[in-house]
Amino acid sequence: NAGVTQTPKFQVLKTGQSMTLQCAQDMNHEYMSWYRQDPGMGLRLIHYSVGAGITDQGEVPNGYNVSRSTTEDFPLRLLSAAPSQTSVYFCASSYRTPDQPQHFGDGTRLSIL
Amino acid sequence: GQQLNQSPQSMFIQEGEDVSMNCTSSSIFNTWLWYKQDPGEGPVLLIALYKAGELTSNGRLTAQFGITRKDSFLNISASIPSDVGIYFCAGQLYNAGNMLTFGGGTRLMVKP
Repeated sequence: NAGVTQTPKFQVLKTGQSMTLQCAQDMNHEYMSWYRQDPGMGLRLIHYSVGAGITDQGEVPNGYNVSRSTTEDFPLRLLSAAPSQTSVYFCASSYRTPDQPQHFGDGTRLSIL
Repeated sequence: GQQLNQSPQSMFIQEGEDVSMNCTSSSIFNTWLWYKQDPGEGPVLLIALYKAGELTSNGRLTAQFGITRKDSFLNISASIPSDVGIYFCAGQLYNAGNMLTFGGGTRLMVKP
C-alpha cells in the first residue's frame, strides 16, 4: 500500500522555468490538497480538490495551477518559477467524511535559483 | 487567513521529562489534530480530537480539545530520544475539503 506518493523528491529550477510536481494516492480518497512548508512555519494550503474535476484555491494559490482529471492524481504546476517559491511541498489526501484525517506524502524539496 | 499560535517554538529537555505544548486560534475549528514531522518526511498524525472538551491519549501522548473550540494542548510524558522532531497542531474545518490550518510548530530536542 503506497499511500500518498510524491515525485520528484528534489528539484532545482532556474527562475522562469516551469515544472509539474506529481502526487498520486491509491486509497481512493476524494479529497486531495497541496501545501507548502517554509522554514520556521507551518504548512500553508495552496490548492485543494474535493473530487475529480473540482479544484479550489487555498491560502497561497498565486503562481500555481492544479487539475484533477482522475481521483488518484493531483499535479501541481509552477507556471514561471520564482525564488519565493523555494519551499518544501506536501501533498495530502483524505476521505470525504469529516472525521477522516489527511494523509501526507514525504514532500518535494524545490529550490529556485 | 486564519492563524494558529503554537508555543513554545522549541524545547530542549532531558530524557524522562514531561513536555507540554499548546495552540490557540482566533477562530473555532471542528477538529483539532496533532502531527509529528521527522526530517525529510511528511507530517504523521498522532492524535485527532473531534469534540470540544475531549481528552484523548495515544500511549505517552495526551491531547485535549478546548471547550471554546479555539485551543488545544499536547502533553508527552516521560520523553525518550525518539520523541525528537517537530510537532504541529492543526485545525480542521469540515467544509472546503477538510482543509487544515497549521500552527508554526514546536521543535522538540531530547537530551539522553
